[in-house]
Parts: sequence; structure tokens; C-alpha cells
Amino acid sequence: AQSVAQPEDQVNVAEGNPLTVKCTYSVSGNPYLFWYVQYPNRGLQFLLKYITGDNLVKGSYGFEAEFNKSQTSFHLKKPSALVSDSALYFCAVSAYGNNRLAFGKGNQVVVIP
Amino acid sequence: DAGITQSPRHKVTETGTPVTLRCHQTENHRYMYWYRQDPGHGLRLIHYSYGVKDTDKGEVSDGYSVSRSKTEDFLLTLESATSSQTSVYFCAISLGHSEDYGYTFGSGTRLTVV
Repeated sequence: AQSVAQPEDQVNVAEGNPLTVKCTYSVSGNPYLFWYVQYPNRGLQFLLKYITGDNLVKGSYGFEAEFNKSQTSFHLKKPSALVSDSALYFCAVSAYGNNRLAFGKGNQVVVIP
Repeated sequence: DAGITQSPRHKVTETGTPVTLRCHQTENHRYMYWYRQDPGHGLRLIHYSYGVKDTDKGEVSDGYSVSRSKTEDFLLTLESATSSQTSVYFCAISLGHSEDYGYTFGSGTRLTVV
């Protein structure tokens, strides 16, 4: 079975400060990892993914994520947060050949002006 | 979201009544999924489809059924709605293996069972 843990319910950060949203995963075999963002009353939007290769993955809106196999983590980062980054962020994992994504419970990010 | 439409967007129904939610895509994607989103649980997979008439259960399938008679439509039916099925339901589509293509999500259906 595959699963994701997002340990913090809410992350508060001041505008202009670095933003980190944590994610750890559990999967049999090689993991395929994703981050999605959800704005109010909207569906989820794809941010970035890790399939293979460089452990640092760059995505949309200035976000990046670092894959750490030994720690089974895939934390989302942004060097300088914007108020418009306030949203719900989901980490997700699947394994090769498994077409089903397992999502974490989500992290609410609040960027304070 | 472009290429994927969910209907209705909002619905209030009474306990014990059947309800059908529709997901329609214009992308000709093979894979389609139904998730429910609840606070503290994130998104949980209800059912998914790999093609016409090819469906399977997800982790929270009890009380739900699905049908896919055409590539473009994936229907989710609550056979006898209960208050525990009050939730926001999302449809997602994928061109191929999730690790290659990821998912595109619809805008969701907010269902309230009273």
C-alpha cells in the first residue's frame, strides 16, 4: 500500500520568507511523487513531480521540491513566499505501474502580509 | 478546468435517495478517477476506470457505484445517500500512467446529504 503523511495542518509564514511544506511517503518500489495546490472552491492544480533523476525538482510559480530517498521525504519549498501562495497543498505518491495516486491530508498555507 | 467538467456543481439531497454525479471529459484520456475530499482526510479514491466498461474499486468504495459506457463520461452513483457521504467530490483524468502524466482535476461537486 502507498501512503503520504503531511504532518502539519497549517503553515504560517510571513510574506517574503522561505516557505516549506513537509511530506513523507511510504510505497513499495520506486516512488513517483507529486505536489498539487488547491485554491478556494477550485480543483487541484499540478505543481511539480519527481519521477527520476535530479533530487531537486522545479515546478510552477517558483516552487521546488527535494526528494530524499533515505528520509522518504519530498518537501515543497519556495524561497520567498507571496500572499497569493496562500492555499491548500497536497502531496501525492504512486508506484510504477500503479495508476492510482494516494494523497496526503493537505496543508493549509497562510502567507501573512 | 479545461477539458473536464463535473455536474452538478452543488447538490442537496435527502438521506436514502439515489444520486448520480457526472464527469465529462473532452480530452479522450483513458484513465478517470473519482475522489472525495474531506477535512483531515485529504483526497480518498472511491473508484477508477481504465477504459470503457473497465472500472475498479478504490479505498472508500462502499455505498458507491460507477459506470463508464463512453470514454468521455464517468458516472458516480450513491445508491442510497447517507449523511456520511456529504463531501466534495472530484473527478480526475489521466492520459496514461500517473507517473508520466499526472492528473487533471475537475472543479468538484459539493454534495450535502440532509
